[in-house]
Amino acid sequence: EPEVTQTPSHQVTQMGQEVILRCVPISNHLYFYWYRQILGQKVEFLVSFYNNEISEKSEIFDDQFSVERPDGSNFTLKIRSTKLEDSAMYFCASRTGLRTEAFFGQGTRLTVV
Amino acid sequence: LAKTTQPISMDSYEGQEVNITCSHNNIATNDYITWYQQFPSQGPRFIIQGYKTKVTNEVASLFIPADRKSSTLSLPRVSLSDTAVYYCLVGDMGYSSASKIIFGSGTRLSIRP
Repeated sequence: EPEVTQTPSHQVTQMGQEVILRCVPISNHLYFYWYRQILGQKVEFLVSFYNNEISEKSEIFDDQFSVERPDGSNFTLKIRSTKLEDSAMYFCASRTGLRTEAFFGQGTRLTVV
Repeated sequence: LAKTTQPISMDSYEGQEVNITCSHNNIATNDYITWYQQFPSQGPRFIIQGYKTKVTNEVASLFIPADRKSSTLSLPRVSLSDTAVYYCLVGDMGYSSASKIIFGSGTRLSIRP
């Protein structure tokens, strides 16, 4: 079964540093998403991406966040200057327009110290 | 996006059938009902989706009454490995939009031996 791949699985960074979380969505999918989940809390929508541009973003997705699909296969989430409260699991997801289920990756655990 | 209400937690025993009900009084005509499962430290995983009546797959059944204001996820003969958080989602997952998937708090299902 095809899967969404995320790297790294765990990243520790110092407050104020930039981080890039990487995702390889399923190859024929058209819609891409980033979510985050703070420990013990619900899964929160960050941003959706379609046709090489952001479709929607939440209030969480402020100017410190950006997404990119640099080469047609990777989908990245960048946090420019990390804060302690950015510590969370970050999930990438993708789906096609023809099937309605979204496939989620295994997540990247980001720890900001 | 229609708001959903589901129990915060449920307990059951191995071998039992578990039914989790979700209320979505403001469901729109184009909305589908989708259930996801999430194990600790993993991304959500699609279980089942339906529009009306009954849908069954190898994992679960989804019952949707005629007014579509609620739905029930049925897990037959649960095992310890079914311990997870189950999310009920309602939204337009059509091809014409990059509809974001919004997660509620979910139902934390605990299965005991």
